[in-house]
Amino acid sequence: GAVVSQHPSWVICKSGTSVKIECRSLDFQATTMFWYRQFPKQSLMLMATSNEGSKATYEQGVEKDKFLINHASLTLSTLTVTSAHPEDSSFYICSASPPWGQVNSPLHFGNGTRLTVT
Amino acid sequence: AQKVTQAQTEISVVEKEDVTLDCVYETRDTTYYLFWYKQPPSGELVFLIRRNSFDEQNEISGRYSWNFQKSTSSFNFTITASQVVDSAVYFCALVITDSWGKLQFGAGTQVVVTP
Repeated sequence: GAVVSQHPSWVICKSGTSVKIECRSLDFQATTMFWYRQFPKQSLMLMATSNEGSKATYEQGVEKDKFLINHASLTLSTLTVTSAHPEDSSFYICSASPPWGQVNSPLHFGNGTRLTVT
Repeated sequence: AQKVTQAQTEISVVEKEDVTLDCVYETRDTTYYLFWYKQPPSGELVFLIRRNSFDEQNEISGRYSWNFQKSTSSFNFTITASQVVDSAVYFCALVITDSWGKLQFGAGTQVVVTP
């Protein structure tokens, strides 16, 4: 079964509102989680690294004030898209890895969240 | 910086034909991992294989096979006797051990298998 749960699987919101996406590791603790974004017919691009108990690390070009990441526990990271606009419509997907050994740990992906901003 | 190139945007085949997806990567790191994922229309990423940079052994899993050649920085994927259910986007990805978890994905190749 799934080891990383992402919720919701899809969401439609109005322009200007905020949307929260959750990523949970179900049977392991993840000190680090990763958020990716995928525009239609494009590849997945890493947005940020979510670090439990500390600030997220954002990739170049990603607005940290727009994409708020909170990793308050070892099993949950949330991505909040603030003041969403139609151009934020995308597929967001998270991944997590057990901390043991770090390198060579399996990388588990959630099933993704399809966000549509109207 | 790492880079993964999947030059084939879309490949269309008739069922039972073989299809090979190319993946060429660039990295200055000597220790890295390569992945292949399948993304069906529903969107989830389905893990297919992981290979580390020290293991150039080719691998076969059912109808899937992979050819890893460090000399040409390639990690190609072949689907033998394709089926309609193989229709999906396939991504090749790379991660270096110093940045474990931060996958660099290729652009993806859309495979369309028609009956």
